[in-house]
Amino acid sequence: AQSVSQHNHHVILSEAASLELGCNYSYGGTVNLFWYVQYPGQHLQLLLKYFSGDPLVKGIKGFEAEFIKSKFSFNLRKPSVQWSDTAEYFCAVMGGSSNTGKLIFGQGTTLQVKP
Amino acid sequence: DSGVTQTPKHLITATGQRVTLRCSPRSGDLSVYWYQQSLDQGLQFLIQYYNGEERAKGNILERFSAQQFPDLHSELNLSSLELGDSALYFCASSFRGEYNEQFFGPGTRLTVL
Repeated sequence: AQSVSQHNHHVILSEAASLELGCNYSYGGTVNLFWYVQYPGQHLQLLLKYFSGDPLVKGIKGFEAEFIKSKFSFNLRKPSVQWSDTAEYFCAVMGGSSNTGKLIFGQGTTLQVKP
Repeated sequence: DSGVTQTPKHLITATGQRVTLRCSPRSGDLSVYWYQQSLDQGLQFLIQYYNGEERAKGNILERFSAQQFPDLHSELNLSSLELGDSALYFCASSFRGEYNEQFFGPGTRLTVL
């Protein structure tokens, strides 16, 4: 069965610090990978996605992620965080061979950025 | 605003009751997904409909059921409610299914007392 593991449950950073959130998945076939963000009181929004091609994916708001197939990882990065990045971040996998679009989410990482 | 609407925003009910959550997908989207977000289980996929037909099932209890209507809106029915059903229920939509990103609605917060 597919699963997603996010290593950090709660991360606290100061503004301008660099961010890296870990995400590992378990699935043997072709996968599509996503990072979603949930700002306080809001719905999930897509930050970036990987379907194929360049394993370094750039998303919105200066976020990027790197797909490393050999490590089953899809870590999220941002060189310099802002207070407005305070939110919960979810990594998700969509199994390409299952012919459905269901997303399997990790448990989420709460990011708190101190001004 | 993702274009996906959900009603109601909040729902408070008692154990043993039945409720219906409603979702309208983005214009043009054919797939609707339901997810449950709770503190202990995280975000879990419940069920997917594509153009009126069930496409995939996840960890959905037998007390729960869903359908997608000809106008593509969807309803999630939860019956014989238990305290543990208290959660945030999200609906998402996409154009088709796989290889399409999903757009999430604002969610319905269900509280079972």
